[in-house]
Amino acid sequence: KQEVTQIPAALSVPEGENLVLNCSFTDSAIYNLQWFRQDPGKGLTSLLLIQSSQREQTSGRLNASLDKSSGRSTLYIAASQPGDSATYLCAVRPSGGYNKLIFGAGTRLAVHP
Amino acid sequence: SQTIHQWPATLVQPVGSPLSLECTVEGTSNPNLYWYRQAAGRGLQLLFYSVGIGQISSEVPQNLSASRPQDRQFILSSKKLLLSDSGFYLCALGGNTEAFFGQGTRLTVV
Repeated sequence: KQEVTQIPAALSVPEGENLVLNCSFTDSAIYNLQWFRQDPGKGLTSLLLIQSSQREQTSGRLNASLDKSSGRSTLYIAASQPGDSATYLCAVRPSGGYNKLIFGAGTRLAVHP
Repeated sequence: SQTIHQWPATLVQPVGSPLSLECTVEGTSNPNLYWYRQAAGRGLQLLFYSVGIGQISSEVPQNLSASRPQDRQFILSSKKLLLSDSGFYLCALGGNTEAFFGQGTRLTVV
């Protein structure tokens, strides 16, 4: 059974820091991995999608990497800003089946001025 | 571009009352549609998914049901709500590529 774990559960950093959020999954048979952002009381916003054949994806200050064989992904946020404060969720899509996403519990990030 | 509409945004319902949450999508046809629930302090749990009109699969046994009367409409229902049905309900669309989520409905059963 696929399980997704995100570490740390919460993170508080000063503005301007570069930071790394970690995601691990137990079964390497995945189709892709997706990182989301969730603001309090809101839905999920897709940040980056990495296909199983890819090693990384970049969007602006965000960079996500994927090491499928070791079951790990990282989300790197450069030069963090207070507006980056949110919960970041990692989800994997197992190979085969009906393409459901299996989520981690998220990392709650606070960036203070 | 694909758009997901969910309503209502918030809902307070008494125990034992019925429920109907609606999700409609635009900008795509024949999408895979999903209902997830996010309980306080926990991750998202898949409740139902649908690959087409009238086709519903349930992930976990529960007090809820889902229907897909039209290609771009997905409805989550209950005949009698329980306190444990409280949570944040999210509709999503996607196949084997990027998944997109609606803004969610906060349900509080009192």
